[in-house]
Amino acid sequence: AQSVSQHNHHVILSEAASLELGCNYSYGGTVNLFWYVQYPGQHLQLLLKYFSGDPLVKGIKGFEAEFIKSKFSFNLRKPSVQWSDTAEYFCAVSWFSGGYNKLIFGAGTRLAVHP
Amino acid sequence: DGGITQSPKYLFRKEGQNVTLSCEQNLNHDAMYWYRQDPGQGLRLIYYSQIVNDFQKGDIAEGYSVSREKKESFPLTVTSAQKNPTAFYLCASTDRSSYNQPQHFGDGTRLSIL
Repeated sequence: AQSVSQHNHHVILSEAASLELGCNYSYGGTVNLFWYVQYPGQHLQLLLKYFSGDPLVKGIKGFEAEFIKSKFSFNLRKPSVQWSDTAEYFCAVSWFSGGYNKLIFGAGTRLAVHP
Repeated sequence: DGGITQSPKYLFRKEGQNVTLSCEQNLNHDAMYWYRQDPGQGLRLIYYSQIVNDFQKGDIAEGYSVSREKKESFPLTVTSAQKNPTAFYLCASTDRSSYNQPQHFGDGTRLSIL
């Protein structure tokens, strides 16, 4: 079965530290890749997405992610985190099969940024 | 503004009782989805629907039922057969005209057992 793995469940950083959250998926066909963020008490928001083209995609709030097809990975990065980045981050993968657009999520990574 | 409205925000269920969670969207999206979010497990797909009067089971459909009588509405019923219903439920929708579209999410319903 297709799956999405996020390697870190909890990450604690100080402000200005660099961030990299890992995401790997298992599906051999064409996929679309997403990172969603859920700030405390808020709903899920799209951070960035990859459909095709340049494998390095830039999202909101200084986040970026790189799609490495050979490694089935889509890691999220930010050079310098802020306290306001404290949130839970979800990697998601979608594909189109049999007329249906299916989307599955990783388990999430809870990020805490200390001032 | 267009969006997805889930209600109620909090819901309590008694043993043996069925409860229905509402999801309405005014985005004119064809496809709608229900997810369950548990701590440490991310979001798991319960049911999804690509068009009116059609829906498919997701990964954890047992104990749940849905209907799609109208394009803008996709209610989820948590039946008494669902033995562990306490969770956060999220509804989502997307534009089926292109599969390269992200999903939009509602604010969720938190269901607890009395």
